[in-house]
Amino acid sequence: EVQLVESGGGLVQPGGSLRLSCAASGFSFRNYAMSWVRQAPGKGLEWVSGISGSGGSTHYGDSVKGRFTISRDNSKNTVYLQMNSLRAEDTAVYYCAKLNRNSIVGTSIDYWGQGTLVTVSS
Amino acid sequence: DIQMTQTPSSLSASVGDSVTITCRTSQTISTYLNWYQQKLGVAPNLLISGTSSLQSGVPSRFSGSGTGTEFTLTITGLQPEDFATYYCQQTYNAPLTFGGGTKVEI
Repeated sequence: EVQLVESGGGLVQPGGSLRLSCAASGFSFRNYAMSWVRQAPGKGLEWVSGISGSGGSTHYGDSVKGRFTISRDNSKNTVYLQMNSLRAEDTAVYYCAKLNRNSIVGTSIDYWGQGTLVTVSS
Repeated sequence: DIQMTQTPSSLSASVGDSVTITCRTSQTISTYLNWYQQKLGVAPNLLISGTSSLQSGVPSRFSGSGTGTEFTLTITGLQPEDFATYYCQQTYNAPLTFGGGTKVEI
């Protein structure tokens, strides 16, 4: 059974940093691309970032480019999202997502985590 | 970046109705278009990938069509469990983008 368990969310002040983790199990982790998708309270879905199976290819949404960094440790079956220079508008539930093949494009999200809430506020 | 315009943003319907949701993209994306359903308070669920491929376990009353820049999700014979929010997503180019969502209400 595929499981994605996010951790690391919480309350952080504007300008601060936070690192989210997503522990994956139930599939051959290194063979699949992974993504982070967020959802602000009462709003729609926003794709944040994606990373290929090897970690050699990464992509970011315009609103987070230069501030967030996605990475993965295939020995630990874990994907990370390092979030720096956080703003109030980054407040959202952050979902870890598994893509259905080892590519960020031309694919789909077949499994989602339960989400972790990040609140940016003073 | 590819912009997504999803319409309508909300609709009211009754059990048994057929509804259609449209997603338009700012440039051609071939058939790299997915549809997700999200119920309140839980993660989204993939319904349709590649414009028209129904995922395993998804009822056949859901169907998708389109190509290029215009795509549709149709629910034929709405059931009580279908009242939810639906999102389209393009995966032709990164950054991948979602439509704004369509809330289907009773």
